[in-house]
Amino acid sequence: DTTVKQNPRYKLARVGKPVNLICSQTMNHDTMYWYQKKPNQAPKLLLFYYDKILNREADTFEKFQSSRPNNSFCSLYIGSAGLEYSAMYLCASSRDGPETLYFGSGTRLTVL
Amino acid sequence: AQRVTQVQPTGSSQWGEEVTLDCSYETSEYFYRIFWYRQLFSGEMVFLIYQPSFDTQNQRSGRYSVVFQKSFKSISLVISASQPEDSGTYFCALSDGSFNKLTFGAGTRLAVCP
Repeated sequence: DTTVKQNPRYKLARVGKPVNLICSQTMNHDTMYWYQKKPNQAPKLLLFYYDKILNREADTFEKFQSSRPNNSFCSLYIGSAGLEYSAMYLCASSRDGPETLYFGSGTRLTVL
Repeated sequence: AQRVTQVQPTGSSQWGEEVTLDCSYETSEYFYRIFWYRQLFSGEMVFLIYQPSFDTQNQRSGRYSVVFQKSFKSISLVISASQPEDSGTYFCALSDGSFNKLTFGAGTRLAVCP
């Protein structure tokens, strides 16, 4: 089973409210990633967990938080959503080494 | 800094034709990998094929192959015998080798007409 699961599929949030997105994989992959995808733009890496170590990209460092309580599960947390957070959020996982990433179907977040 | 450019925002073909999608990239790394993904209408990104920089042979996987021109820092995805089910957005992505972090291009939306 090479499935990465993301919940929910669609999420509506209010400006200023927190948002929590969930991702899981059962492939025992070391690394889990979160990408943000806006229309007509390239997917952008937000952060990734290698084992228990969180690495956040410099330009999104303060905007997103994450947790990985076990190997299979990873969440993406937005403390206070703004309109600019409306996007598709893609979770992916990968085994250590020159492996491809396996992506989930994404969560489409709309902030109103 | 790494950068991936896909200059064709859209493309089209007829059923059975060969399709070529172009990608260029910038990297200062000696060892790197280029991946091609297709985004389904559901949003899921599906891995198609990858080319390691150290391999001078163009990779092939089923109906997918690449034309790798390392000296020009360009790589094209070739889809043979295209089918309507191949329609979707194709992304080129560069891995810098550490933790498999990918830098993506903006994608090419392909429509294959029956």
